[in-house]
Amino acid sequence: DAGVIQSPRHEVTEMGQEVTLRCKPISGHNSLFWYRQTMMRGLELLIYFNNNVPIDDSGMPEDRFSAKMPNASFSTLKIQPSEPRDSAVYFCASSLSLDGHSNYGYTFGSGTRLTVV
Amino acid sequence: KNEVEQSPQNLTAQEGEFITINCSYSVGISALHWLQQHPGGGIVSLFMLSSGKKKHGRLIATINIQEKHSSLHITASHPRDSAVYICAALPGETSGSRLTFGEGTQLTVNP
Repeated sequence: DAGVIQSPRHEVTEMGQEVTLRCKPISGHNSLFWYRQTMMRGLELLIYFNNNVPIDDSGMPEDRFSAKMPNASFSTLKIQPSEPRDSAVYFCASSLSLDGHSNYGYTFGSGTRLTVV
Repeated sequence: KNEVEQSPQNLTAQEGEFITINCSYSVGISALHWLQQHPGGGIVSLFMLSSGKKKHGRLIATINIQEKHSSLHITASHPRDSAVYICAALPGETSGSRLTFGEGTQLTVNP
Protein backbone atom coordinates (compact mmCIF):
# COMPACT_ATOMS: atom_id res chain seq x y z
CA ASP A 1 0.00 0.00 0.00
CA ALA A 2 1.33 3.45 -0.88
CA GLY A 3 0.04 4.92 2.35
CA VAL A 4 -2.20 7.94 2.67
CA ILE A 5 -1.77 10.04 -0.44
CA GLN A 6 -2.33 13.77 -0.37
CA SER A 7 -2.21 16.25 -3.20
CA PRO A 8 -0.91 18.73 -3.93
CA ARG A 9 2.22 18.75 -1.73
CA HIS A 10 2.48 22.50 -1.98
CA GLU A 11 -0.09 25.12 -2.93
CA VAL A 12 0.41 28.83 -3.25
CA THR A 13 -2.67 30.84 -4.01
CA GLU A 14 -3.93 34.37 -3.85
CA MET A 15 -6.35 35.54 -1.21
CA GLY A 16 -9.92 35.02 -2.31
CA GLN A 17 -9.22 32.03 -4.50
CA GLU A 18 -10.75 28.61 -3.96
CA VAL A 19 -8.40 25.90 -2.75
CA THR A 20 -9.09 22.16 -2.89
CA LEU A 21 -6.95 19.65 -1.03
CA ARG A 22 -7.24 15.96 -1.81
CA CYS A 23 -6.69 12.78 0.16
CA LYS A 24 -6.70 9.09 -0.66
CA PRO A 25 -6.80 6.97 2.51
CA ILE A 26 -5.31 3.55 2.97
CA SER A 27 -7.49 0.88 1.44
CA GLY A 28 -9.59 -0.78 4.13
CA HIS A 29 -9.37 2.08 6.57
CA ASN A 30 -12.84 3.37 7.42
CA SER A 31 -11.98 6.53 9.34
CA LEU A 32 -10.48 9.63 7.74
CA PHE A 33 -9.24 12.74 9.50
CA TRP A 34 -8.28 16.20 8.32
CA TYR A 35 -5.80 18.08 10.54
CA ARG A 36 -4.24 21.51 10.30
CA GLN A 37 -0.84 22.36 11.74
CA THR A 38 0.41 25.86 12.44
CA MET A 39 3.26 27.18 14.53
CA MET A 40 0.86 28.97 16.84
CA ARG A 41 -1.70 26.24 17.44
CA GLY A 42 0.09 22.99 16.63
CA LEU A 43 -1.99 20.13 15.27
CA GLU A 44 -5.76 20.64 15.25
CA LEU A 45 -8.47 18.25 14.14
CA LEU A 46 -10.73 19.89 11.58
CA ILE A 47 -13.13 17.08 10.75
CA TYR A 48 -13.32 13.34 10.72
CA PHE A 49 -15.36 10.82 8.78
CA ASN A 50 -16.33 7.30 9.72
CA ASN A 51 -17.59 5.08 6.90
CA ASN A 52 -17.74 8.17 4.64
CA VAL A 53 -20.06 10.01 7.03
CA PRO A 54 -18.88 13.21 8.77
CA ILE A 55 -18.90 12.50 12.49
CA ASP A 56 -17.39 15.58 14.05
CA ASP A 57 -16.80 18.84 12.18
CA SER A 58 -16.58 21.05 15.24
CA GLY A 59 -12.98 21.85 14.41
CA MET A 60 -13.80 23.41 11.06
CA PRO A 61 -12.90 27.08 11.52
CA GLU A 62 -15.79 28.66 9.68
CA ASP A 63 -18.16 28.34 6.75
CA ARG A 64 -15.36 28.96 4.29
CA PHE A 65 -14.16 25.42 5.01
CA SER A 66 -15.98 22.36 3.74
CA ALA A 67 -15.05 18.70 3.47
CA LYS A 68 -16.54 15.81 1.55
CA MET A 69 -15.98 12.11 1.34
CA PRO A 70 -17.95 10.84 -1.65
CA ASN A 71 -16.55 7.32 -1.36
CA ALA A 72 -14.23 5.22 0.77
CA SER A 73 -11.16 6.08 -1.28
CA PHE A 74 -11.32 9.83 -1.64
CA SER A 75 -11.86 12.98 0.38
CA THR A 76 -11.53 16.69 -0.29
CA LEU A 77 -11.07 19.71 1.91
CA LYS A 78 -12.12 22.95 0.26
CA ILE A 79 -11.49 26.52 1.33
CA GLN A 80 -13.52 29.20 -0.43
CA PRO A 81 -12.57 32.01 -0.33
CA SER A 82 -9.07 31.50 1.03
CA GLU A 83 -7.42 33.98 3.39
CA PRO A 84 -3.78 34.47 4.45
CA ARG A 85 -4.58 33.12 7.93
CA ASP A 86 -5.44 29.78 6.34
CA SER A 87 -1.76 29.29 5.54
CA ALA A 88 -0.73 26.06 7.27
CA VAL A 89 0.14 22.45 6.64
CA TYR A 90 -2.95 20.32 6.19
CA PHE A 91 -2.63 16.64 7.02
CA CYS A 92 -4.96 13.82 6.17
CA ALA A 93 -4.86 10.62 8.21
CA SER A 94 -6.76 7.37 8.07
CA SER A 95 -7.32 4.52 10.47
CA LEU A 96 -9.38 1.43 11.03
CA SER A 97 -12.22 1.80 13.49
CA LEU A 98 -13.96 -1.41 14.47
CA ASP A 99 -16.66 0.09 16.64
CA GLY A 100 -16.74 3.79 15.80
CA HIS A 101 -14.65 4.61 18.83
CA SER A 102 -11.39 2.70 18.95
CA ASN A 103 -8.99 3.46 16.12
CA TYR A 104 -6.09 1.35 15.05
CA GLY A 105 -3.12 2.02 12.84
CA TYR A 106 -3.28 5.74 12.35
CA THR A 107 -1.39 6.65 9.17
CA PHE A 108 -0.72 10.22 8.17
CA GLY A 109 -0.25 11.59 4.69
CA SER A 110 2.73 13.78 3.85
CA GLY A 111 0.66 16.92 4.16
CA THR A 112 -0.18 19.84 1.90
CA ARG A 113 1.66 23.06 2.65
CA LEU A 114 -0.76 25.87 1.81
CA THR A 115 0.37 29.45 1.44
CA VAL A 116 -2.23 32.12 0.81
CA VAL A 117 -0.74 35.45 -0.23
CA LYS B 1 -4.31 23.79 31.18
CA ASN B 2 -3.89 21.55 28.13
CA GLU B 3 -5.46 18.13 28.33
CA VAL B 4 -2.19 16.63 27.09
CA GLU B 5 1.11 18.02 28.29
CA GLN B 6 4.59 17.01 27.24
CA SER B 7 7.97 17.62 28.76
CA PRO B 8 10.48 18.80 27.99
CA GLN B 9 9.56 21.15 25.16
CA ASN B 10 13.11 21.05 23.83
CA LEU B 11 15.80 18.46 24.38
CA THR B 12 19.37 18.39 23.14
CA ALA B 13 21.45 15.25 23.56
CA GLN B 14 24.75 13.81 22.47
CA GLU B 15 24.80 10.79 20.23
CA GLY B 16 24.53 7.62 22.25
CA GLU B 17 22.62 9.11 25.17
CA PHE B 18 19.44 7.59 26.59
CA ILE B 19 16.49 9.91 26.05
CA THR B 20 13.15 10.15 27.81
CA ILE B 21 10.18 12.25 26.76
CA ASN B 22 7.20 12.45 29.08
CA CYS B 23 3.49 12.88 28.45
CA SER B 24 0.76 13.50 31.00
CA TYR B 25 -2.91 13.64 30.19
CA SER B 26 -5.98 14.66 32.13
CA VAL B 27 -8.70 12.97 30.09
CA GLY B 28 -9.83 9.38 30.20
CA ILE B 29 -8.35 7.65 27.19
CA SER B 30 -8.81 4.53 25.16
CA ALA B 31 -5.33 4.77 23.66
CA LEU B 32 -2.31 7.00 23.47
CA HIS B 33 -0.21 7.64 20.38
CA TRP B 34 3.38 8.69 19.97
CA LEU B 35 4.06 10.44 16.68
CA GLN B 36 7.32 11.54 15.08
CA GLN B 37 7.56 14.54 12.78
CA HIS B 38 10.79 15.06 10.87
CA PRO B 39 12.07 18.42 9.66
CA GLY B 40 10.58 17.66 6.24
CA GLY B 41 7.18 17.73 7.89
CA GLY B 42 5.93 14.16 7.46
CA ILE B 43 4.26 12.56 10.47
CA VAL B 44 4.85 8.95 11.38
CA SER B 45 2.89 7.04 13.96
CA LEU B 46 5.43 5.30 16.22
CA PHE B 47 3.24 3.60 18.78
CA MET B 48 -0.34 3.24 19.85
CA LEU B 49 -0.72 1.81 23.32
CA SER B 50 -3.40 1.45 25.93
CA SER B 51 -1.44 -0.41 28.60
CA GLY B 52 2.01 -1.62 29.53
CA LYS B 53 4.94 -1.24 27.22
CA LYS B 54 5.79 -1.51 23.52
CA LYS B 55 9.21 -1.72 21.91
CA HIS B 56 10.32 -1.16 18.35
CA GLY B 57 14.03 -1.17 17.70
CA ARG B 58 15.62 1.48 19.90
CA LEU B 59 12.27 3.01 20.81
CA ILE B 60 10.29 2.04 23.88
CA ALA B 61 6.92 3.46 24.93
CA THR B 62 5.33 2.90 28.31
CA ILE B 63 2.03 3.94 29.78
CA ASN B 64 0.66 4.02 33.32
CA ILE B 65 -3.10 4.31 33.10
CA GLN B 66 -3.59 4.96 36.82
CA GLU B 67 -1.11 7.82 36.83
CA LYS B 68 -2.24 9.07 33.37
CA HIS B 69 1.34 9.21 32.21
CA SER B 70 3.30 7.88 29.28
CA SER B 71 6.97 7.98 28.39
CA LEU B 72 8.88 7.55 25.16
CA HIS B 73 12.44 6.31 25.52
CA ILE B 74 15.15 6.26 22.90
CA THR B 75 18.20 4.13 23.59
CA ALA B 76 21.58 4.81 21.96
CA SER B 77 20.29 8.01 20.36
CA HIS B 78 21.48 8.99 16.91
CA PRO B 79 21.39 12.28 14.98
CA ARG B 80 18.75 10.81 12.69
CA ASP B 81 16.43 10.64 15.74
CA SER B 82 16.30 14.44 15.65
CA ALA B 83 12.65 15.31 15.17
CA VAL B 84 9.57 16.56 16.97
CA TYR B 85 7.89 13.88 19.06
CA ILE B 86 4.20 14.36 19.69
CA CYS B 87 2.02 12.62 22.22
CA ALA B 88 -1.65 12.31 21.30
CA ALA B 89 -4.46 10.97 23.44
CA LEU B 90 -7.48 9.21 22.01
CA PRO B 91 -10.29 9.92 24.46
CA GLY B 92 -12.53 7.25 25.88
CA GLU B 93 -15.72 6.03 24.31
CA THR B 94 -17.87 9.04 25.07
CA SER B 95 -15.61 11.39 23.13
CA GLY B 96 -15.40 9.61 19.81
CA SER B 97 -12.25 9.58 17.80
CA ARG B 98 -10.76 13.03 18.37
CA LEU B 99 -7.05 12.88 19.02
CA THR B 100 -5.90 15.48 21.52
CA PHE B 101 -2.31 16.49 20.87
CA GLY B 102 0.49 17.60 23.11
CA GLU B 103 2.60 20.52 21.96
CA GLY B 104 5.48 18.31 20.95
CA THR B 105 9.06 17.87 22.08
CA GLN B 106 11.82 19.08 19.77
CA LEU B 107 14.68 16.60 20.05
CA THR B 108 18.12 17.41 18.67
CA VAL B 109 20.80 14.74 18.82
CA ASN B 110 24.29 16.04 18.12
CA PRO B 111 27.04 13.82 16.71
